[in-house]
Formats: sequence, C-alpha cells, structure tokens
Amino acid sequence: GQNIDQPTEMTATEGAIVQINCTYQTSGFNGLFWYQQHAGEAPTFLSYNVLDGLEEKGRFSSFLSRSKGYSYLLLKELQMKDSASYLCALKDGTGGSYIPTFGRGTSLIVHP
Amino acid sequence: EAQVTQNPRYLITVTGKKLTVTCSQNMNHEYMSWYRQDPGLGLRQIYYSMNVEVTDKGDVPEGYKVSRKEKRNFPLILESPSPNQTSLYFCASGDRGETQYFGPGTRLLVL
Repeated sequence: GQNIDQPTEMTATEGAIVQINCTYQTSGFNGLFWYQQHAGEAPTFLSYNVLDGLEEKGRFSSFLSRSKGYSYLLLKELQMKDSASYLCALKDGTGGSYIPTFGRGTSLIVHP
Repeated sequence: EAQVTQNPRYLITVTGKKLTVTCSQNMNHEYMSWYRQDPGLGLRQIYYSMNVEVTDKGDVPEGYKVSRKEKRNFPLILESPSPNQTSLYFCASGDRGETQYFGPGTRLLVL
C-alpha cells in the first residue's frame, strides 16, 4: 500500500520562491511524479524523479530522497499563473501495476 | 496530435439511468486508467488496465465497470448511477516508465 502526504494549501508572493513538500510511504518505490492542475482542467506533467537528487527544469525543480521517503517541488520567480494545485504522485511497481497513485494535492495561491 | 479524448465533457443525468463515458488515446499506450476527483479528496483511481482484456480495480471501484476490448479505448460504465457519483472524471493513458497523459475531464452530475 501507499501513503502520500502533502500540505493542503500554501500562499506565496509573486516573484518569490516556494517549496511544496511531499512525504510518502511505500513498499515498492518506482518513481515519483509532480503534476500541475489548474481549476477544472486536467493535470499536466511537471517532473519525474526516480533517483535521489535534484532535477531542474527552468523555474521548476524537483528533489527526491528515497531513503527519507521525501520529495519537494521548488518553484522560483513565482508568477500569478502558477496559482494552481500541485499533485505529488507515486509509482509503485508491486503487484505489476505501474499506474501512479496521487496525493490530495497542494493548492498554491500566488498573490501580488 | 497526441491526445486523450473523453466524451461527453459534461453530463447531467438521473439516478439509475445507465451511462457510458468514452475514453480514447492515439499514442498506442498500454496503460489506461480512470480517476475521479472530488474536493478535498484529490484524484482517486477507479479502475486501470495494463493491456487489452486486462483490467483491475483501483481504490474506489464500487458502482463502476470498465472494458478494454481495443488498445485505444477504455470506456467507463455506470450501470445505475447514484448522486454520490457526481464528480469530475479523468481518463489517463501512459506506458510503463512514462508519465501519464490526461484527458480533458468529464463533469458528471447525478440527480
């Protein structure tokens, strides 16, 4: 089974940096995704971590520590359009299914 | 254009009237899945399929059925919808080791 935990809501100021944490417990780690979802829209892929360390993609970076069951998404130079829900999703290969299970999401509000 | 399509996008129905939400992908993906999304509960997996004729229950399968007769299609069937199935539904597809691609969503209201 899996257990994924992330904060429900965060607020930040335009131009600032924000870190969204995700902790998880799993019996068979096979990868961790971050998705962005604007209200009423489909989730869109941001990042995928399999190995420990930091992956950087423009203003967004994602970090993984498998030994600690911990990941974070770092958003730099925040823009108003970054106001969205950010979903941490865990891929667990036990039982043969590689379809991710999602956390409840973190709603990020960016204000001027 | 690579995409996942869902139909209908919006649906209002009444309790007990059978309905089907279609899902189709043009990326030749093996894996397809259905999620429902409710406020405060996040995305919850209903059913998934790892290939043609192979389906399995997710976390909240009660009241739903699926079939996978062709690789590209994965319809979601509600045999007797109830108001607690009012939700936003997403279909997704992907391959092992890759990200999932989501359809645009189907907003269902059961009266």
